[in-house]
Parts: sequence; C-alpha cells; structure tokens
Amino acid sequence: AQSVTQLDSQVPVFEEAPVELRCNYSSSVSVYLFWYVQYPNQGLQLLLKYLSGSTLVKGINGFEAEFNKSQTSFHLRKPSVHISDTAEYFCAVSDRNFGNEKLTFGTGTRLTIIP
Amino acid sequence: EPEVTQTPSHQVTQMGQEVILRCVPISNHLYFYWYRQILGQKVEFLVSFYNNEISEKSEIFDDQFSVERPDGSNFTLKIRSTKLEDSAMYFCASSVQALAGSSYEQYFGPGTRLTVT
Repeated sequence: AQSVTQLDSQVPVFEEAPVELRCNYSSSVSVYLFWYVQYPNQGLQLLLKYLSGSTLVKGINGFEAEFNKSQTSFHLRKPSVHISDTAEYFCAVSDRNFGNEKLTFGTGTRLTIIP
Repeated sequence: EPEVTQTPSHQVTQMGQEVILRCVPISNHLYFYWYRQILGQKVEFLVSFYNNEISEKSEIFDDQFSVERPDGSNFTLKIRSTKLEDSAMYFCASSVQALAGSSYEQYFGPGTRLTVT
C-alpha cells in the first residue's frame, strides 16, 4: 500500500519570496508522482508529474519539483511566489503496475501568500 | 480547452435517499474515475472504470455505490441509500491513456458537493 505525507498543513509566505512544499511518500514498488493544485471552489489541476527520466521536473506557473528516490521525497518549489499562487496543493502517488491507476493523495498544504 | 464537467455543483439530500452524480469526461478519454473529499480531509480514490467495467475500487466503494456509463458520454456515480457520512465533495476524473503512457494525466472536474441531512 502507498501513502503520502505532507508535513505542512499551512504555509504562509511573503509575496516574491521562495517556497518549498514538502512531500514524502511510502511505497513498496516504484511510483509515479504528481502535484495538483486546487484553487478556491475549483477542481484539481495538475501542476507537474514525474513518470521517468530527469528527476527535476518543471510544471506550470513556474513550479518545479525534484524526485529523490533515496529520501522518498518529491518536494515542490517556486523561486518567487505571487498572490495568485494562494491555493491548496496536493501531492499524489500512483504505483507503476499497469492497470492500477488510482491516485493516493496527501492531506494537502494550504499556501497563503502575504502581500 | 476540453474539460471534465460535473452536475449538479451542489446536491442536498435526505439520509436514505438515492442520489446520482453526473460527469461528462473529456470526449476522447478512455479511463474514468471517482474520488471524494470529506471536508478538511484528503482526496480519496473510490473507483476506476475502463472498457465498461470497474477496473479497481476502494474499500469505501461498497454495495451502496455503483457507476455507469449509460450513453457513451456521461459517467455517473449512484449512491443507493445515502448516509450522513457520505457528505463530501465528489470529483470525477478522466484520462486518455493508461498510466504507462508518457502523456498520462488525470483531468479532474470541479466537483459536486453532496450534503446529506
């Protein structure tokens, strides 16, 4: 069974400051990793994903994440945040077994940008 | 840009009643999913559906739940006899290909908020 841990439930950051949202996962098999963003009253939107290849992946809105297999982490970063980045961010994992496409989500991190 | 749509946006029902939540996935997608998010908790997988049958379901998806793709465009989630604990936001998602594909992505709808009183 897989699990995802997002240690920070809330992260306040000043506008134009950098941010890192932490994600650790646990799985007995190789995994695919995702970050989704949920803006207020909206559905989930994919920010970025790691399927294979380079461990540093770039996504939309200037976000990037690095897959670290030895630390079982997939932390999300942005060098300079904007007010519009205020949202809930979810890390998710899916195992590599074909036919098992369910996403297992973390509890989410609420990012609040302070003007 | 194509998107997943869900109706209604908010459904209020009494305990014991049946509800049907509707989703229209993106038209060329082949894989369909339902997730739910109880207020303040994480998003949880309910069921995946491919080729007109369930491919996987979670422990939450008991006999009270069923899914159907009645007409080739809609994808529905039915709860036969709702309980208070079924109150949650229900998300539909779809993907064009299986997880092994390099373009793999699950596209989510905006959700239906179900309130059971």
